[in-house]
Amino acid sequence: SQKIEQNSEALNIQEGKTATLTCNYTNYSPAYLQWYRQDPGRGPVFLLLIRENEKEKRKERLKVTFDTTLKQSLFHITASQPADSATYLCALDEGNTGFQKLVFGTGTRLLVSP
Amino acid sequence: NAGVMQNPRHLVRRRGQEARLRCSPMKGHSHVYWYRQLPEEGLKFMVYLQKENIIDESGMPKERFSAEFPKEGPSILRIQQVVRGDSAAYFCASSPPSAGASEQYFGPGTRLTVT
Repeated sequence: SQKIEQNSEALNIQEGKTATLTCNYTNYSPAYLQWYRQDPGRGPVFLLLIRENEKEKRKERLKVTFDTTLKQSLFHITASQPADSATYLCALDEGNTGFQKLVFGTGTRLLVSP
Repeated sequence: NAGVMQNPRHLVRRRGQEARLRCSPMKGHSHVYWYRQLPEEGLKFMVYLQKENIIDESGMPKERFSAEFPKEGPSILRIQQVVRGDSAAYFCASSPPSAGASEQYFGPGTRLTVT
């Protein structure tokens, strides 16, 4: 069956450290993968999109990798700050639908302590 | 440029009543998506619409749920005869009319509580 998995346990790190979140998927062949941030009581906010032919993408303190062989994406936040505390969702395109049909993971909660 | 707007933000309905959720996409966006998020679960795709057309409703329950995106006005997600299991956060997202991959812009959501 098709699955997209993120670590359901919260990730606790200290300010200034690098946070690394994992997204694994099975039985999908996505052309791209996206990462979103969601704060409590709010809608998700887009962060980064990475295509299948891109190994790595960066945006300021954020870095995403995409390994289509391992079927895994890693999301890194360097020099983390308490304001980075949120739930991070990965989403991939289900594919073969003719439109952008996103499948979301359940998200990983990141807690950055001062 | 205002973002995606949803109203109401909170909606309480008794079992058997109807719930109407509204979504105004970002200006210039013609693609609208509805998602449902249950506590401790991920966002689940429900339906994808363009103006006056339902493109894919494979994530919608077969009964009681309907969606529309008229030529004028917001997109509406309608739930008839609500049951307790319909209690969830409903998010609308929009994207520009471009082919291929693009980010989706989400609204703040409508939190539906069925009592």
